[in-house]
Amino acid sequence: TAGITQAPTSQILAAGRSMTLRCTQDMRHNAMYWYRQDLGLGLRLIHYSNTAGTTGKGEVPDGYSVSRANTDDFPLTLASAVPSQTSVYFCASSLGQGSSPLHFGNGTRLTVT
Amino acid sequence: GDSVTQMEGPVTLSEEAFLTINCTYTATGYPSLFWYVQYPGEGLQLLLKATKADDKGSNKGFEATYRKETTSFHLEKGSVQVSDSAVYFCALTSNQAGTALIFGKGTTLSVSS
Repeated sequence: TAGITQAPTSQILAAGRSMTLRCTQDMRHNAMYWYRQDLGLGLRLIHYSNTAGTTGKGEVPDGYSVSRANTDDFPLTLASAVPSQTSVYFCASSLGQGSSPLHFGNGTRLTVT
Repeated sequence: GDSVTQMEGPVTLSEEAFLTINCTYTATGYPSLFWYVQYPGEGLQLLLKATKADDKGSNKGFEATYRKETTSFHLEKGSVQVSDSAVYFCALTSNQAGTALIFGKGTTLSVSS
């Protein structure tokens, strides 16, 4: 059972470079999300998508962009990385209804130097 | 805006001790409430949830009751095991970002034998 697949698992990126974090789900969930996890700050929402073709901004969207061309994929792009974007990034999905729980991937650990 | 406040950790217990992790929330409307658990190197997993006042969520010996009058959703377990060592997150649904969840900062639990 795959669920949510994130790639890469980890990455070291030079400041100023661009990068796309990949996220694919095989559960046919309507909604998908990107969170970042930082020590002492918990999980903060970056962007979300309630259904294919739509996206929205979360709590910390600056410096990130997303697209949702189809149901399964929800890539997160850093156009010009900065050290403050060093974090662990989690992709999640849900049925997108009221109390639907989120299902998480195993995360991408990104270090921006 | 909506928010979740968890007790700060780490919480250190001996095996078979009683566990309580406090969680209070601020929200408009009637959110659903969740507890997630994160084991080292993994993504978050749903532990339990409650969707309305006085509901009790339970799973794997953990339980939490949705208390609207005190805006709380405290996590309890009668007898912890070493394998319960993990980070625990309280979360709620929010109207602010589609169907995304708002998470607390997490509480680290360490259980020793």
